[in-house]
Amino acid sequence: EVQLVESGGDLVQPGRSLRLSCAASGFTFDDYALHWVRQSPGKGLEWVAGINWNSGNTDYEDSVKGRFTISRDNAKNSLYLEMSSLRLDDSALYYCVKDRGAVASNSAGFDFWGQGTRVSVSS
Amino acid sequence: EIVLTQSPGTLSLSPGERATLSCRASQTVSSSYVAWYQQKTGQAPRLLIYGMFHRATGIPDRFSGSASGTDFTLTISRLEPEDFAVYYCQQYDRSPWTFGQGTKVEIK
Repeated sequence: EVQLVESGGDLVQPGRSLRLSCAASGFTFDDYALHWVRQSPGKGLEWVAGINWNSGNTDYEDSVKGRFTISRDNAKNSLYLEMSSLRLDDSALYYCVKDRGAVASNSAGFDFWGQGTRVSVSS
Repeated sequence: EIVLTQSPGTLSLSPGERATLSCRASQTVSSSYVAWYQQKTGQAPRLLIYGMFHRATGIPDRFSGSASGTDFTLTISRLEPEDFAVYYCQQYDRSPWTFGQGTKVEIK
């Protein structure tokens, strides 16, 4: 059974940093691309970032470029999202999502989602 | 960025009825790169359909996808009680991958 378990969400002030983690199990981790997708009442579902199976390529939504960094550790079956210069509109539930394919920039669709970790940005 | 517009916002139907959900893209999207997801309250989205008409593992055949130009449709042939939820379309043809705003299927 595929499992994706996110952690690291918190209440933080604008301008601060936060690191999200996702522990994966139940599939061959280094065969697949992975993504972060966030959901908020105001913006709905929003893809944030993606990474290839071998970390060879990453892709970001424009509003997070230069502020967020996606990475993975295939030895630990883990995905990460380093978030800096957090803004009020980054508040959302962040999902770790598995791609059906290996290349994030050539997605084959998102077949498994974690339960999410909540990030709240507020002063 | 490709914008997906779903309609209607809310669909009020009874169990056993047919549900037709629409998704329109602002630009040409290959139907091979359209997916549909179901989300129930308090749960993560679940993949229903990918590649426009391929059902994900375990998805019953009452769910089907179709396309006509830039319009995409999810059809639920006969609603079961567990089908009342919010449904999202997604395109993964061109980055950034985008989602529609959702259609809520509620019990009439």
